[in-house]
Amino acid sequence: DTGVSQNPRHKITKRGQNVTFRCDPISEHNRLYWYRQTLGQGPEFLTYFQNEAQLEKSRLLSDRFSAERPKGSFSTLEIQRTEQGDSAMYLCASSRLGDASYEQYFGPGTRLTVT
Amino acid sequence: KQEVTQIPAALSVPEGENLVLNCSFTDSAIYNLQWFRQDPGKGLTSLLLIQSSQREQTSGRLNASLDKSSGRSTLYIAASQPGDSATYLCAVGGATNKLIFGTGTLLAVQP
Repeated sequence: DTGVSQNPRHKITKRGQNVTFRCDPISEHNRLYWYRQTLGQGPEFLTYFQNEAQLEKSRLLSDRFSAERPKGSFSTLEIQRTEQGDSAMYLCASSRLGDASYEQYFGPGTRLTVT
Repeated sequence: KQEVTQIPAALSVPEGENLVLNCSFTDSAIYNLQWFRQDPGKGLTSLLLIQSSQREQTSGRLNASLDKSSGRSTLYIAASQPGDSATYLCAVGGATNKLIFGTGTLLAVQP
């Protein structure tokens, strides 16, 4: 257990529904990252926050995706009007700005299945 | 654009063998390189992190090396055990520290 938690762990939804995932980083970590991993592939970067500011978004993050980190603590990732292609593992990671190693610690992930 | 490649894609070895996993990257301007382990359906467990100024890191039976100039890293696993069976992922971190991952090496250690 790295100290990063994600909820829910599994989510099954029907195409067209909206879903929201939550990530709680390690408490003193001010950077928070979201990644998406499809079967047989390595994780792909989606977006990252430094405190409450969203500093970078991947082109993978379409208009249907939105992420927030309102108080610089936990973060939410919402997918609107889900599509079957959104089925994947969504991983959250955190790190501490000022930590010379920049090591990222990953949560257990949320597995999304869109039927 | 940074690209990360891992070879081989899959590897099966008998228990007790020493083995090497390879990772290559196209842009040498990296801040760090991390090796992760991923069990089926699970999240990522960090194994070793090498900062750009370092050449290698060791943890128990694991040793990772980094050659930035040639864009290569290796993960050496000594005396492999069935419990080492997993997917091993290599990832490089740049200026914003977002990680770029390879597609992984699926390792099976046969008892």
